[in-house]
Amino acid sequence: GAVVSQHPSRVICKSGTSVKIECRSLDFQATTMFWYRQFPKQSLMLMATSNEGSKATYEQGVEKDKFLINHASLTLSTLTVTSAHPEDSSFYICSARDPSGSWKTGELFFGEGSRLTVL
Amino acid sequence: AQTVTQSQPEMSVQEAETVTLSCTYDTSESDYYLFWYKQPPSRQMILVIRQEAYKQQNATENRFSVNFQKAAKSFSLKISDSQLGDAAMYFCAYFSDKIIFGKGTRLHILP
Repeated sequence: GAVVSQHPSRVICKSGTSVKIECRSLDFQATTMFWYRQFPKQSLMLMATSNEGSKATYEQGVEKDKFLINHASLTLSTLTVTSAHPEDSSFYICSARDPSGSWKTGELFFGEGSRLTVL
Repeated sequence: AQTVTQSQPEMSVQEAETVTLSCTYDTSESDYYLFWYKQPPSRQMILVIRQEAYKQQNATENRFSVNFQKAAKSFSLKISDSQLGDAAMYFCAYFSDKIIFGKGTRLHILP
């Protein structure tokens, strides 16, 4: 089946630095990708919807200048956490939509997630 | 705004028994999709089963089935013949233009 790959799976950085997380669709072209944040023992909270070639749509309460999303190609979306602080430590998950899937809305596939720890 | 509610934070079931996880949602849309995802300790999201809102027939995937009540906006998951490998967090999700997750139900399988 289709695969979505996230990199890195784990990252530790110092407070004040920026971290980039990549989300790649390996065998399909993803017109839409979603970024989620998951705190321990909690649900996935949608941060933003990323459409290839256009600006991301951020959910209410998500700082767009803090969490920069770039969907520059049909197989790659990146999330950059700028000037990271310890409260940004979390598990970040992406999902990608394959519009060629059998469903009208396309198949959704999830990456493996990226654990960010900010010291 | 769409919301998804899972009222059972944790549930336990004896191995080989049947368990039902509850989910309700709220939407004004008529065309949408509902999912159950499983998240094991690896944190990888695994699709368990999905349902198209316009289909009246309940979806079934092997030991997993749903009870979809569109008027009541209810979408419960039944797991039959529970296995130790079924232990995980289960998330109910709604998808129209974006996917919204419930808070999850942690399922324990008792040997």
